[in-house]
Amino acid sequence: AQSVTQLDSQVPVFEEAPVELRCNYSSSVSVYLFWYVQYPNQGLQLLLKYLSGSTLVKGINGFEAEFNKSQTSFHLRKPSVHISDTAEYFCAVSDLINNNDMRFGAGTRLTVKP
Amino acid sequence: DTEVTQTPKHLVMGMTNKKSLKCEQHMGHRAMYWYKQKAKKPPELMFVYSYEKLSINESVPSRFSPECPNSSLLNLHLHALQPEDSALYLCASSLSSDTQYFGPGTRLTVL
Repeated sequence: AQSVTQLDSQVPVFEEAPVELRCNYSSSVSVYLFWYVQYPNQGLQLLLKYLSGSTLVKGINGFEAEFNKSQTSFHLRKPSVHISDTAEYFCAVSDLINNNDMRFGAGTRLTVKP
Repeated sequence: DTEVTQTPKHLVMGMTNKKSLKCEQHMGHRAMYWYKQKAKKPPELMFVYSYEKLSINESVPSRFSPECPNSSLLNLHLHALQPEDSALYLCASSLSSDTQYFGPGTRLTVL
């Protein structure tokens, strides 16, 4: 079965600084990869996804991620963060065989400080 | 309509109560999901319905009973819950096999 590891449980960063949230996955078959954001007391909002094609994926709110098959990674980046980006970020993976079975990483808490 | 709605937003129930959570989508999605999320944890998959048939049940206790009356509606019936079942219950839907879209969740407290 597929699995996801988010390497940082918390990432503090100052406003307008760049940020990278790391995600590595494990699967024996081809995968779909996702980043979701969760603001306090809310559901999950899709930031971006990789299904196939270009390995650089752009999402909402200025985020982007790069799929790296050789390193089995899908790191999320933003060149300049805002206070409003403070939230929990989840990386998720589903494989092309059991594609209704999506697995989440443990999450990374991004805190943007003024 | 591009959203998943969930009702109620908050629910407090005793251990002997019977209640239901409701999820609705009008995006023509054919798969619908229930997740449970404890504080500071990722969502955990509970059930998946595909084309109105239960396709995944992640060994969830029988006090949780899912129902999919039609392709737009998903219910989760609750009976004799325990305090440890208190959590955020998230519903999601997907068109076919890839992207899941989530509702805002129901915050459940079991007393």
